[in-house]
Amino acid sequence: SQQGEEDPQALSIQEGENATMNCSYKTSINNLQWYRQNSGRGLVHLILIRSNEREKHSGRLRVTLDTSKKSSSLLITASRAADSASYFCATPGETSGSRLTFGEGTQLTVNP
Amino acid sequence: ETGVTQSPTHLIKTRGQQVTLRCSSQSGHNTVSWYQQALGQGPQFIFQYYREEENGRGNFPPRFSGLQFPNYSSELNVNALELDDSALYLCASSLATGGRETQYFGPGTRLLVL
Repeated sequence: SQQGEEDPQALSIQEGENATMNCSYKTSINNLQWYRQNSGRGLVHLILIRSNEREKHSGRLRVTLDTSKKSSSLLITASRAADSASYFCATPGETSGSRLTFGEGTQLTVNP
Repeated sequence: ETGVTQSPTHLIKTRGQQVTLRCSSQSGHNTVSWYQQALGQGPQFIFQYYREEENGRGNFPPRFSGLQFPNYSSELNVNALELDDSALYLCASSLATGGRETQYFGPGTRLLVL
């Protein structure tokens, strides 16, 4: 089963609205990362939140982490059409820390 | 741009053939990880190389093998290609192996096996 599972699988919103994506994971982690992928291209690192952090901001991005619920959320405020992409959460492996486990991703479409 | 490059960008092979994919890590990074991403799915970890040695492997058969060179660039080799090997292959470089570092991904190589 997937370590990181994103929810929803697909999200369609209008420009200017906020987009919220959720991620759940199963094991203990020391950090959680969010990545973005434009269609068929490489992944772009967005933000890393450590297990002792509850919230982190980067520009229009806000990430929260709840280790008691083993969940994280990514909020994109004031979305733009250019934010349309797939978003993945990733967690490091238990036995090999640099081995990232990704979920299936959330496909975000921002309509102009 | 992450500074991680991959070649080739696209490749078409037939079943049973062998393929070599290449990755140049970001300057100063000593660790390279390889991932396979099938269409519509998240990336799956293949293996990782740290200072020229394999340092962790995912659930992939032995026909997936790799190398890391003294300049930390890396190759992924796949023998006896199967149709299901068609995917986007991503490499990522990072500075250490502790799992607390950001991994920087290249643009990927899209492999199609016919």
